[in-house]
Amino acid sequence: DAKTTQPNSMESNEEEPVHLPCNHSTISGTDYIHWYRQLPSQGPEYVIHGLTSNVNNRMASLAIAEDRKSSTLILHRATLRDAAVYYCIHSRGNDMRFGAGTRLTVKP
Amino acid sequence: GAVVSQHPSRVICKSGTSVKIECRSLDFQATTMFWYRQFPKQSLMLMATSNEGSKATYEQGVEKDKFLINHASLTLSTLTVTSAHPEDSSFYICSAIRGRNTEAFFGQGTRLTVV
Repeated sequence: DAKTTQPNSMESNEEEPVHLPCNHSTISGTDYIHWYRQLPSQGPEYVIHGLTSNVNNRMASLAIAEDRKSSTLILHRATLRDAAVYYCIHSRGNDMRFGAGTRLTVKP
Repeated sequence: GAVVSQHPSRVICKSGTSVKIECRSLDFQATTMFWYRQFPKQSLMLMATSNEGSKATYEQGVEKDKFLINHASLTLSTLTVTSAHPEDSSFYICSAIRGRNTEAFFGQGTRLTVV
């Protein structure tokens, strides 16, 4: 099984950056690192994914450690709408198994 | 981003009946679709992986005769919960990918309540 380890919960203040860590020590060379987030009673939403290099998109940045055993999702300025459960997955091709995720609370 | 539509969003059925949930990729062809079940305050649990035109691969502990998955086209997969019981009540979610190592797009989820 692909397994990741994330903090159960984190808090952030609105307008401040948030760094969400993920450990994926069992990652193999061809696994991509994916991040998704889920609001209550909704399906998850894609945030970002990458293989080795750091990645940026309009939602977030993904910093991948050199040994690829960990990564950090960076929300540059948290808003109240960013409050969600964030899931980190390392995927072996068509394998998309979720861990427990991190519940992010954003305080106004 | 791409759109995955799941229907119905909410269904209540009587114990012993069957319920079909549809998952459609609206603007892309999905090589693989995934079905998950999620209980309150828990993470998503992968039930099965489905490739178009072939039989679904079920996770350990998921009864394939109870949770029938059909992936007849590159844009449609269905999950049928047969002979539903109250313990099958859950939030069911599908997702689809365009190819290996691409991002997954998720449906809105289906809240199933068996009474």
